[in-house]
Amino acid sequence: GENVEQHPSTLSVQEGDSAVIKCTYSDSASNYFPWYKQELGKRPQLIIDIRSNVGEKKDQRIAVTLNKTAKHFSLHITETQPEDSAVYFCAAPLGGGGNKLTFGTGTQLKVEL
Amino acid sequence: GAVVSQHPSRVICKSGTSVKIECRSLDFQATTMFWYRQFPKQSLMLMATSNEGSKATYEQGVEKDKFLINHASLTLSTLTVTSAHPEDSSFYICSAKTDSGQGNGYTFGSGTRLTVV
Repeated sequence: GENVEQHPSTLSVQEGDSAVIKCTYSDSASNYFPWYKQELGKRPQLIIDIRSNVGEKKDQRIAVTLNKTAKHFSLHITETQPEDSAVYFCAAPLGGGGNKLTFGTGTQLKVEL
Repeated sequence: GAVVSQHPSRVICKSGTSVKIECRSLDFQATTMFWYRQFPKQSLMLMATSNEGSKATYEQGVEKDKFLINHASLTLSTLTVTSAHPEDSSFYICSAKTDSGQGNGYTFGSGTRLTVV
């Protein structure tokens, strides 16, 4: 079935280093790729998204790249800070007319001092 | 921006009872609402899609008679967990598809932490 795969499941970096999280999706019709940050017990918070008509988007320390041919997209966080520690999810609308947002398995990012 | 209000935020119920969770779109009309369930340290799993005025569409493996969804108006969708059991304890969260919401129109409620004892 349609799915979204995400790697790694855990990621530990030193403060100031970069972090990269990767996702692949199965539905070639998907045209919207958001990334969410979720803190414990709270709703997912959109941090950046990209549409299928562009290959890269950047917002300060956060960037997302998209390779539609390979069906994968990545989240890049530069100059990581302790407050970046959280669980990050990628997502893509799969099947169901392209509306059902399906989430990746999540990445626990820990930024160490 | 678009806001989805979800209530209650936390609920504890006894096994065998039913619990209703409400999601309201406050400043827009939500023709489609998605219901997710999230177990500890896991991802958000889509349970069902509700459309105003029609029956909900359930994902494979989700019991429609146990998780009753009603989307009777353009601003309210409810999820009722019937005959709850401890294994139903989870974080339930709704998401509305809008044309004007943040992030291509997916706006999330604040979630409901259900504990069945």
